[in-house]
Amino acid sequence: QVHLVESGGDVVQPGGSLRLSCTTSGFIFSDFGMDWVRQAPGKGLEWVASIWFDGSDAYYADSVMGRFTISRDNSKNILSLQMNSLRAEDTAVYHCARNYQRVNDFWGQGTLVIVSS
Amino acid sequence: DIQMTQSPSSLSASVGDRVTITCQASQDIYNFLNWYQHKPGTAPRLMIYDASNLDTGVPSRFSASGSGTYFTFTIKSLQSEDIATYYCQHLHNENVFGQGTRLE
Repeated sequence: QVHLVESGGDVVQPGGSLRLSCTTSGFIFSDFGMDWVRQAPGKGLEWVASIWFDGSDAYYADSVMGRFTISRDNSKNILSLQMNSLRAEDTAVYHCARNYQRVNDFWGQGTLVIVSS
Repeated sequence: DIQMTQSPSSLSASVGDRVTITCQASQDIYNFLNWYQHKPGTAPRLMIYDASNLDTGVPSRFSASGSGTYFTFTIKSLQSEDIATYYCQHLHNENVFGQGTRLE
């Protein structure tokens, strides 16, 4: 059974940093691309970043380019999102999702990030 | 960049109603269109992939169709457990969501 569990969400001041993790199980992690998708309060789903199955390439939304870094450890089945220079508009629930043949077929429940002074 | 325009943004309906949501792409996306159900505090759930294919375990009252730039998502007879927000998504070279439709 596929499981994705996010962790690392917290309250952080503007300009601060935070690292999110997504611990996975139930599938061969190294076979799949992975995504981060967020939902700000009262807003819809917004794609944040994607990483290839082997970590060789990554893509970012314009809103986080240069501030966020997606990475993965295929030996530990963990996806990460390093978030720097955080802004109030980064406040959101962050979900990790498996990317399989043009579909995000499995998702985690999310972890809440609040950027506030 | 591809834009996905979803409507309506919210929809009030009763149990047993037929509900239809539309999603329009800013350019031809063939059938690369997915639909998700999202309830607060939970993981989004894939309902439909490649425009018209029901994911495993999705009840048959859900259906979808379309290709190119115009897509529809239908609940044939709304059940109370279907109250959620629904999103269309195009995921191919880029990952783009519609604005969502909140069922009330």
